[in-house]
Amino acid sequence: DTEVTQTPKHLVMGMTNKKSLKCEQHMGHRAMYWYKQKAKKPPELMFVYSYEKLSINESVPSRFSPECPNSSLLNLHLHALQPEDSALYLCASSQVTSGGFGEQFFGPGTRLTVL
Amino acid sequence: GDSVTQMEGPVTLSEEAFLTINCTYTATGYPSLFWYVQYPGEGLQLLLKATKADDKGSNKGFEATYRKETTSFHLEKGSVQVSDSAVYFCALSPPLAGANSKLTFGKGITLSVRP
Repeated sequence: DTEVTQTPKHLVMGMTNKKSLKCEQHMGHRAMYWYKQKAKKPPELMFVYSYEKLSINESVPSRFSPECPNSSLLNLHLHALQPEDSALYLCASSQVTSGGFGEQFFGPGTRLTVL
Repeated sequence: GDSVTQMEGPVTLSEEAFLTINCTYTATGYPSLFWYVQYPGEGLQLLLKATKADDKGSNKGFEATYRKETTSFHLEKGSVQVSDSAVYFCALSPPLAGANSKLTFGKGITLSVRP
């Protein structure tokens, strides 16, 4: 299985809602990532987990809360978002080796709209 | 810091035309270099990679050669198809990446291939 899956595919939420994005991989990768991508722009890194521990937080607002319950799953909890948070949210995973992180495999993304 | 520069787009070609998309980088040492492709409405897919100087990555008729002397990783395809229409991102990851390693993306370029 060489796939990263993400659910839901689309999500519309109000600014007072709480929702979660889910990501799953079964490639045995021990690094997992969340990215935010605006239209016609490259992905922007938000968080990196390595061996289920948060290793990078790119100064993301606290209304985004990541969670890595086990080596295959990655969640992104959303609360009190703003309309400018509307974007495509991408999950990725990679191996972790003695030389660092391997190439990243991306999921199809969740298209988030905040009203 | 590390950076990736891609040629300005968009690019529009006729089917069976030759494609070159330029990518140059700035980094210390020997980073790993990647081309990712994003089809409309989808996540990113790794198209090809190269991890050391003079390596040639290839996949689906696309090729790119890691040129240390010109710090370049240009993407080429001899005969494009309508199905190649997508956004193409050049990216690098630092050598001997440690716990704080991350991908640096170029701005991306949109390729449209007309029948």
